[in-house]
Amino acid sequence: QSALTQPPSASGSPGQSVTISCTGTSSDVGGYNYVSWYQQHPGKAPKVMIYEVSERPAGVPDRFSGSKSGNTASLTVSGLQAEDEADYYCSSFAGSNILNVVFGGGTKLTVL
Amino acid sequence: EVQLVQSGAEVKKPGESLKISCKGSGYSFTNSWVGWMRQMPGKGLEWMGIIYPGNSDTRYSPSFQGHVTISADKSINTAYLRWSSLQASDTAMYYCARRGEAYSWFDWGQGTLLTVSS
Repeated sequence: QSALTQPPSASGSPGQSVTISCTGTSSDVGGYNYVSWYQQHPGKAPKVMIYEVSERPAGVPDRFSGSKSGNTASLTVSGLQAEDEADYYCSSFAGSNILNVVFGGGTKLTVL
Repeated sequence: EVQLVQSGAEVKKPGESLKISCKGSGYSFTNSWVGWMRQMPGKGLEWMGIIYPGNSDTRYSPSFQGHVTISADKSINTAYLRWSSLQASDTAMYYCARRGEAYSWFDWGQGTLLTVSS
């Protein structure tokens, strides 16, 4: 299956809000509420920021929120801070078998 | 605290074999799926496959089926990723991760950097 589609880059000034999209198909993003988002700083392992479309793991600031409409999921970062500058990846359960997973190509978020 | 600790960086030649490891602690290793992800230099994450250490049920992404083997030894809480014949295109960072809520990857290893070069 193809990777999910994300914009290669996004940017915003400190304090602003930025939304990153993740577009799939009815076989992955649109078919299941199993979208997750990961933050990756350079040289570091990814960290889960959002799971099940809009749930935040313990310890993740509420500045991070997720949503989904049809085949497109979105990650919104409100009140941008310098430490939010990182790569962000979406992922979805793909459904062709119970364990199948597909990732987006990643979005580089720059805090101006 | 959940931890996944991966084996160290490797430098290998094309055609060589390799097995890298991922040791879990702080949770029930037997009852949690462990996945492997590849990240090629400057590129995004790719899901390679997953194993359930409790019964060694293993699934592979079609993109990696036949090129790698995933296994686990539940007696020592360790999952493995093995290549029988490396290629230069296998040069990448490899991450293991524990699957948590709703098919998400909640805990990640620190990564193992593999360089394959003649």
